[in-house]
Amino acid sequence: AQSVTQPDIHITVSEGASLELRCNYSYGATPYLFWYVQSPGQGLQLLLKYFSGDTLVQGIKGFEAEFKRSQSSFNLRKPSVHWSDAAEYFCAVGVYNQGGKLIFGQGTELSVKP
Amino acid sequence: DTAVSQTPKYLVTQMGNDKSIKCEQNLGHDTMYWYKQDSKKFLKIMFSYNNKELIINETVPNRFSPKSPDKAHLNLHINSLELGDSAVYFCASSHNGRGYEGETQYFGPGTRLLVL
Repeated sequence: AQSVTQPDIHITVSEGASLELRCNYSYGATPYLFWYVQSPGQGLQLLLKYFSGDTLVQGIKGFEAEFKRSQSSFNLRKPSVHWSDAAEYFCAVGVYNQGGKLIFGQGTELSVKP
Repeated sequence: DTAVSQTPKYLVTQMGNDKSIKCEQNLGHDTMYWYKQDSKKFLKIMFSYNNKELIINETVPNRFSPKSPDKAHLNLHINSLELGDSAVYFCASSHNGRGYEGETQYFGPGTRLLVL
């Protein structure tokens, strides 16, 4: 069965420090992978997505993610975190031939220390 | 010029009541979705519609009935509300027909439902 795991429920980093949020997936084929961000009280916004090709994907707000098939991972990174990055981050996989169904991970809450 | 809008933003109601949540998108998308986010922030798809046709129905109790009067609107009606229905409900839309798995989904701001 398809699934997405985000091992870290909550991460705190200092402003200006680098960030890596982990995501592992279970999927029987080449996955379509997404990172969404949810700011407090808001809906979800797409940060980036991976279909195929270059395994390093650039997104909005200075985020990038790297697809590693051998590790079934799609970790999100940012070299220098800003206070405005504090939010909930969701990794998701798109399920083939199921009408656009996304399976989400549990989310990782990011706090940023001044 | 909001892309995906939902009303109401907050909904507080008593157990046993019937309520509706409305969703509208002005992106010209063909596919719309309802997601439920529980108190632990876990997001799960409930329904998707493509051009008024039901595509996904994820083992949701039949107290929940989506209705799509046209492809820009997808409403969610909930009968006989229960305490466990308390959650945030998100509407989303995507461009492609039948919502293929690589599509970006655009989310509304959510409706926070509290059942007392």
